[in-house]
Amino acid sequence: EADIYQTPRYLVIGTGKKITLECSQTMGHDKMYWYQQDPGMELHLIHYSYGVNSTEKGDLSSESTVSRIRTEHFPLTLESARPSHTSQYLCASSPGRGGDTQYFGPGTRLTVL
Amino acid sequence: GQQVMQIPQYQHVQEGEDFTTYCNSSTTLSNIQWYKQRPGGHPVFLIQLVKSGEVKKQKRLTFQFGEAKKNSSLHITATQTTDVGTYFCAGHNFNKFYFGSGTKLNVKP
Repeated sequence: EADIYQTPRYLVIGTGKKITLECSQTMGHDKMYWYQQDPGMELHLIHYSYGVNSTEKGDLSSESTVSRIRTEHFPLTLESARPSHTSQYLCASSPGRGGDTQYFGPGTRLTVL
Repeated sequence: GQQVMQIPQYQHVQEGEDFTTYCNSSTTLSNIQWYKQRPGGHPVFLIQLVKSGEVKKQKRLTFQFGEAKKNSSLHITATQTTDVGTYFCAGHNFNKFYFGSGTKLNVKP
C-alpha cells in the first residue's frame, strides 16, 4: 500500500473562504497529480507536477493553484471558494520512471456552502 | 486531442454473471492501466499492460490489450458482491495519463 496522505479528509466552509488542501507522499515520487471527482463520476485532472518547481494545469479548467517546493508536498489552494467547487479532490503520485503506476490518496471531500 | 472512451457507463449484473468493460483510445498508447474504485474510496491500481496483444489474468479478472494498442478490456468471470465498484482504464502516452470515464459495476446478490 502506498504512503500518500491528504488532509483534511472532510471540509465544510463558507463561500469566499481561502482554503489549502494538503497532500504528502513519503515514497520520493517525482510526479504528483490533483484530480477533481464528483461522486461516482469520472476523474478530471486539474494540476500536475513532474518535480520540484514544476507545475502544469490539467485538462479541466480550475480556479485553484498548486505549488511544489518539496518533492513530498503538493498543496492545492483555492483563493475564494464557491459552491461550484464542492467535490472530492484526489491527490496521486507516481515514480516517474517506468511503470508510472499512480498511487492515490484517500481524498478530501469539500463542501462549500 | 487524446481521448480514452470507456463503455458501458453502468452495468448491473446478478451475482455469478460475467462482466466486461471496454476502453478505446483515439491514438496508440504506450501502455494502459486499470484501476478499481470502491464506493466512497479512492482508485486503486490493478494492473498494467504494455505489449501489443497482451493478456494478463488475476484470479477471476482477465485484462487484454489490443494488437494496435488502442483498445483494452477487463473481463470478470462469475462476479461476486466484492467486485462492486467503478473500474477505470488509464491510457499512457507521451508522459501523460488519460483516464476513461469509468464503468460502474453493481452486483446483486
